[in-house]
Amino acid sequence: GAVVSQHPSRVICKSGTSVKIECRSLDFQATTMFWYRQFPKKSLMLMATSNEGSKATYEQGVEKDKFLINHASLTLSTLTVTSAHPEDSSFYICSASGRAVRGETQYFGPGTRLLVL
Amino acid sequence: GENVEQHPSTLSVQEGDSAVIKCTYSDSASNYFPWYKQELGKRPQLIIDIRSNVGEKKDQRIAVTLNKTAKHFSLHITETQPEDSAVYFCAEGNEKLTFGTGTRLTIIP
Repeated sequence: GAVVSQHPSRVICKSGTSVKIECRSLDFQATTMFWYRQFPKKSLMLMATSNEGSKATYEQGVEKDKFLINHASLTLSTLTVTSAHPEDSSFYICSASGRAVRGETQYFGPGTRLLVL
Repeated sequence: GENVEQHPSTLSVQEGDSAVIKCTYSDSASNYFPWYKQELGKRPQLIIDIRSNVGEKKDQRIAVTLNKTAKHFSLHITETQPEDSAVYFCAEGNEKLTFGTGTRLTIIP
């Protein structure tokens, strides 16, 4: 139980284009989803927290107009990187938690490796 | 959470020996302390967690201890095996987590 999927697993795009990443909880209802960014050999940096049906809460220094987050249902959250630039290249990972699956425990998706040329 | 320090950043241990990783935190309101294992290019996997009303928890070869007064918690892996090689992250918080900087554990066969 508590499986989280993420799509796509990797994407290469040109500078200036937008990229959408999907995060799905497959076997539980995710009341909260989190989006992280991870640089090579570094820790996970929280970008934003989203609750179903409400606006995401962004961490300090994260541009909400650049990283659009939508949590339209209890099983799906999307992160859109708008007007991507090479410095946005990174590993993006989502996680999900839900009351039916041990409350505050976060279950991670497999991540999306984004390369902006 | 506000800030989490994790030590050591790298650790090499002979197979069969024990490994210990320590974390300290600053947010006294934190009540949840999970440990994640991440293999190269893979997702972080929860290996054990502890809540603030408990001082120690064990699951087979893995144990976690928590000292809430001193604001530190530790991961203990006994009888290490090559498949234990990975990067380990501590985290603390409540709903929202702050992650430590990670420890690259290498088990030497």
